[in-house]
Amino acid sequence: AQKITQTQPGMFVQEKEAVTLDCTYDTSDPSYGLFWYKQPSSGEMIFLIYQGSYDQQNATEGRYSLNFQKARKSANLVISASQLGDSAMYFCANNAGGTSYGKLTFGQGTILTVHP
Amino acid sequence: GAVVSQHPSRVICKSGTSVKIECRSLDFQATTMFWYRQFPKQSLMLMATSNEGSKATYEQGVEKDKFLINHASLTLSTLTVTSAHPEDSSFYICSARETGGRQPQHFGDGTRLSIL
Repeated sequence: AQKITQTQPGMFVQEKEAVTLDCTYDTSDPSYGLFWYKQPSSGEMIFLIYQGSYDQQNATEGRYSLNFQKARKSANLVISASQLGDSAMYFCANNAGGTSYGKLTFGQGTILTVHP
Repeated sequence: GAVVSQHPSRVICKSGTSVKIECRSLDFQATTMFWYRQFPKQSLMLMATSNEGSKATYEQGVEKDKFLINHASLTLSTLTVTSAHPEDSSFYICSARETGGRQPQHFGDGTRLSIL
């Protein structure tokens, strides 16, 4: 069974600063994928970044980077140069098997608020 | 990028009504789609996996006779909430994935269902 834990119900950051959103996971599968999604108040789920368990380097996508520490089973999302539009709910998710068509297990989510 | 369309975006109806929600993959074929339910400020809970041409796979605790899923083509899955009651009021969101490689799941914009 997969389990994703996001221990920060809410985070606040000043505009233009960086913020780290925590995510730890628990899986017995040797091959898995980790995802981050953004959910604005309007409800849609926006894919941000993906990390495969066998990837040698941490994933990066523009202002988003993933701090992947396999031994610690953590996959923290780093948002650099925060913008007001980054205010949203952020979900970490995991799928087993290493292919991303499998079922996703989501964490509890973190509400990020960016202050001007 | 891959687009998933979900319709309707909002439904308000009387108790006892059956409501159908459509999920379409617009520019790719999806043999598997997923249906989630989300309560306010909470995480996404997987309800069922919709499989093209075969029966859906329901998660534990989800009533299959209550939430009917049909995946008749490679681009369309439907969720019908039968004889809806106020406790069925929620945000329902579907997802689908392109085949191959490290493709993430893409989500529809969700449906806010309110049963009076």
